[in-house]
Amino acid sequence: AQSVTQLGSHVSVSEGALVLLRCNYSSSVPPYLFWYVQYPNQGLQLLLKYTSAATLVKGINGFEAEFKKSETSFHLTKPSAHMSDAAEYFCAVRGMDSSYKLIFGSGTRLLVRP
Amino acid sequence: ETGVTQTPRHLVMGMTNKKSLKCEQHLGHNAMYWYKQSAKKPLELMFVYSLEERVENNSVPSRFSPECPNSSHLFLHLHTLQPEDSALYLCASSQDTGQAYGYTFGSGTRLTVV
Repeated sequence: AQSVTQLGSHVSVSEGALVLLRCNYSSSVPPYLFWYVQYPNQGLQLLLKYTSAATLVKGINGFEAEFKKSETSFHLTKPSAHMSDAAEYFCAVRGMDSSYKLIFGSGTRLLVRP
Repeated sequence: ETGVTQTPRHLVMGMTNKKSLKCEQHLGHNAMYWYKQSAKKPLELMFVYSLEERVENNSVPSRFSPECPNSSHLFLHLHTLQPEDSALYLCASSQDTGQAYGYTFGSGTRLTVV
């Protein structure tokens, strides 16, 4: 069975600082991995996804994530935080088997201080 | 505009009421999903439809009844709900239930049961 763990329910950074949101996955088969962002009173928007091609994946809004099999991680980063990045971020996993479920982590709320 | 439209955006209903949530997508996707998002809990997959057939019912109480009349529309019929059913209900769609596909989410219906 697949699962994801997001370390830290809240992360606070200053505007212009590096953003690092952590995600570790558990999967018995090679996974597909996703990051979604949710702004207040909105649904989830796909930021980026890893589908076994390049291990460094670039997404929208300047975000990127690196798949590290040895660490079972898929951390999300952005070099310089903007105020508009304040939102909740969800990591999700989908196994390369017959399972069609997208399993979400519990989310990390990013706060950006002026 | 995300491509997936949910109505209503907000709904307040009494425990004896019957109401329906509507989801519509014009992305040409073949799979549609209902998720429940409660405060401080991970996203919970409720139902999965593929080509208008229900392929997953994730142990959801019978007071929630889904309907998928065609590949563009998905409903969630609600009756005799409990206060703990108050949550954000998210609809999503994907090209197929295949593993590489991410989801496109609607903005959700904020449901309050009084």
